[in-house]
Amino acid sequence: QVQLQESGPGLVKPSGTLSLTCDLSGDSISSSNWWTWVRQPPGKGLEWIGEINHSGNTNYSPSLKSRVTISVDKSKNQFSLRLSSVTAADTAVYYCARGSHKGFDYWGQGTLVIVSS
Amino acid sequence: EIVLTQSPGTLSLSPGERATLSCRASQSVSSNYIAWYQQKPGQAPRLLIYGASSRATGIPDKFSGSGSGTDFTLSISRLEPEDFAGYYCQQYGSSPLSFGGGTKVEIK
Repeated sequence: QVQLQESGPGLVKPSGTLSLTCDLSGDSISSSNWWTWVRQPPGKGLEWIGEINHSGNTNYSPSLKSRVTISVDKSKNQFSLRLSSVTAADTAVYYCARGSHKGFDYWGQGTLVIVSS
Repeated sequence: EIVLTQSPGTLSLSPGERATLSCRASQSVSSNYIAWYQQKPGQAPRLLIYGASSRATGIPDKFSGSGSGTDFTLSISRLEPEDFAGYYCQQYGSSPLSFGGGTKVEIK
């Protein structure tokens, strides 16, 4: 059974860097899927952040591209998100998910990150 | 960049009724790669439909998807209490991927 689990600080200071990790079990990070980050500000809709595949190829949201880095650690079977120069507008629940030709079929439970001093 | 517009924003229906949700794309979606997700408060989204019309594993046949090109529909027959939730469409045919703004199906 495929499972994803996000982890990382729940509080980040303005202008700092948000760093999250997604641990994968039941599948290999080296499989033919895309590994994705999605966020959801409180009370709002879903926003796609970006994705990476096993080869390290990435695609990012144009609105976040200058601040986002997604990377893969094959040895740990996990992938990570870094978002720099954060502001209060980056406060959201962050989800990791598995992407394929079937859409996003597995999701983590989500982790709330608050940007505040 | 493909923009997805969902309508209506809120749908008020009674249990047992049929729900019809719309998702319109600003340009044609490659390979009809449209997915629909259900989200309940405090939970992660759950995949219902992929490829515009294929049900995901374990999804009952009361959920159906249709459409092609730029116009897509999610139908839910015979609404049950657990179906009252938020629904999002997503296109994953071309980068950047994108979600619609969502439709909330609420009890009338």
